[in-house]
Amino acid sequence: DAKTTQPPSMDCAEGRAANLPCNHSTISGNEYVYWYRQIHSQGPQYIIHGLKNNETNEMASLIITEDRKSSTLILPHATLRDTAVYYCIVRANAGGTSYGKLTFGQGTILTVHP
Amino acid sequence: DVKVTQSSRYLVKRTGEKVFLECVQDMDHENMFWYRQDPGLGLRLIYFSYDVKMKEKGDIPEGYSVSREKKERFSLILESASTNQTSMYLCASSLQGNYGYTFGSGTRLTVV
Repeated sequence: DAKTTQPPSMDCAEGRAANLPCNHSTISGNEYVYWYRQIHSQGPQYIIHGLKNNETNEMASLIITEDRKSSTLILPHATLRDTAVYYCIVRANAGGTSYGKLTFGQGTILTVHP
Repeated sequence: DVKVTQSSRYLVKRTGEKVFLECVQDMDHENMFWYRQDPGLGLRLIYFSYDVKMKEKGDIPEGYSVSREKKERFSLILESASTNQTSMYLCASSLQGNYGYTFGSGTRLTVV
């Protein structure tokens, strides 16, 4: 699976959008981009994933560049409860009966300030 | 609400003991995973299973074994616990295919 690079930490004001970048310049055509977060002392939580199109769900939006070498996770209106470690993970296609393991890096520590 | 439940939140065991960590999911997921998480090392995959009685080694299987006799339950076994197995253990499950994982809350194991 391709390696990802994320900033070690970021700050965001409550109520503002949090934009978390991720570089994955060696991503291959069949690899998906996944985002998870981990709030202190809890298990990681799945947020969103995508292949090449932008994706949105109730938690966040995922913007993937056209060349797929980078992506941005957007939390549109950050709250204090969004303070967490955010992991960007690239994973090979796990379609059909195959499986795709996740390899976690160090992630970005997002701190949301009042 | 769908859940992955780990049997214990905190566990203290003695060196040399056989330790069982249990994980149960109620989502009819095919895949189940065991990770450990340590400061500075992040989450590392120990074992995973893609079907009943099937298992695959992850990145750090040494000192561990697993059992999956029923689809909903995946057990991690430390045959002879050692102090370097003191860690946070996280279980996860997923459907087969390109889906996200659902994680449990974790078991913090201390081996003394």
